[in-house]
Amino acid sequence: DAKTTQPTSMDCAEGRAANLPCNHSTISGNEYVYWYRQIHSQGPQYIIHGLKNNETNEMASLIITEDRKSSTLILPHATLRDTAVYYCIVRVASRGKLIFGQGTELSVKP
Amino acid sequence: DGGITQSPKYLFRKEGQNVTLSCEQNLNHDAMYWYRQDPGQGLRLIYYSQIVNDFQKGDIAEGYSVSREKKESFPLTVTSAQKNPTAFYLCASSIVNGETQYFGPGTRLLVL
Repeated sequence: DAKTTQPTSMDCAEGRAANLPCNHSTISGNEYVYWYRQIHSQGPQYIIHGLKNNETNEMASLIITEDRKSSTLILPHATLRDTAVYYCIVRVASRGKLIFGQGTELSVKP
Repeated sequence: DGGITQSPKYLFRKEGQNVTLSCEQNLNHDAMYWYRQDPGQGLRLIYYSQIVNDFQKGDIAEGYSVSREKKESFPLTVTSAQKNPTAFYLCASSIVNGETQYFGPGTRLLVL
């Protein structure tokens, strides 16, 4: 599975969009990009995933560059409850294991 | 309400004692997983099961055992052979192996 690189931490003002970047320059054609988040002392929460096209759901949007070497998770209107560690994971769909890196610690401030 | 439940939320283990962590899901998922998370670290796979009565070792299976007698349940036993069991244990499930995994709330295991 391809390795991902994320900033260690980011701040965002409440009500503004939070844009979390992820680099995955060694991604293969059959690897998906997954995003999870983990609020302190809770289990990880699935957010969104995609292969090539941009994706949107009720929680977030996922923008994947045309060459698929990077992606951005967008939380359109961040709230204090979005404060968490966000993990970008790249994996082949048939593989069972999720490899969580260090993630980005997002702090949403009033 | 569909979801994954783990119990207990906190568990204390004495030296030399085996303890069992519970994981139940009512999502009708075939695949279930156990991960361990240490402070400031990512998750590491302990065991996974693709179907009832079948399971495979993950990356750090030593000192742990599992069973999968029912589709809904995948208990994890931390044996006395696991010398450093203090960690946050997370159970997950997916429709089938390789699909999106959904996690339970976790069990924090502490050694007395």
